[in-house]
Amino acid sequence: KQEVTQIPAALSVPEGENLVLNCSFTDSAIYNLQWFRQDPGKGLTSLLLIQSSQREQTSGRLNASLDKSSGRSTLYIAASQPGDSATYLCAVRRKDSNYQLIWGAGTKLIIKP
Amino acid sequence: GAGVSQTPSNKVTEKGKYVELRCDPISGHTALYWYRQSLGQGPEFLIYFQGTGAADDSGLPNDRFFAVRPEGSVSTLKIQRTERGDSAVYLCASSYGTSGGQETQYFGPGTRLLVL
Repeated sequence: KQEVTQIPAALSVPEGENLVLNCSFTDSAIYNLQWFRQDPGKGLTSLLLIQSSQREQTSGRLNASLDKSSGRSTLYIAASQPGDSATYLCAVRRKDSNYQLIWGAGTKLIIKP
Repeated sequence: GAGVSQTPSNKVTEKGKYVELRCDPISGHTALYWYRQSLGQGPEFLIYFQGTGAADDSGLPNDRFFAVRPEGSVSTLKIQRTERGDSAVYLCASSYGTSGGQETQYFGPGTRLLVL
């Protein structure tokens, strides 16, 4: 059974710092992995999607890496800003079920001005 | 509309009552998904529609939960005889439905259900 874990559960850093969020999964048979952002009272926003054949994806100050064999992904945020404060979730799409996403519990990120 | 919308945004009900939660997907999206998110947890898959049919309802926790999508657009999640444990945020997502696992799901803001 696929399980997704995110560590740490919460993180507070000063503005301007670079930071890394971690995601691990138990079954390497995945179709892809996505990182989402969740703001209170709002829906989930997809940040980056990495196909199983890819090693990383970049969007602006965000860079996500994927090491499928070790069951790990990281989300790197450069030059953090207070507006980056949110909960970040990773989700994997199982190979045997293209539409089902298996989610981590998220990392709540607070960027202090 | 520009995005996925869900109504109501909040619903408070009493134990044992019946509730309906509505999802209006992005126009043209044939795939629709319902998830449930408990406090401090990631979303949990409930059901997936492709068009009007439920392609996978394996995530529905029990027979008190039912969802429909009669015209292949708007979907309603129905919960009978609500229990306190049903309290959660119910999220709806939609996608184009043409690319299998490669496509991004677009999420609505969710309905926060509280069962007293």
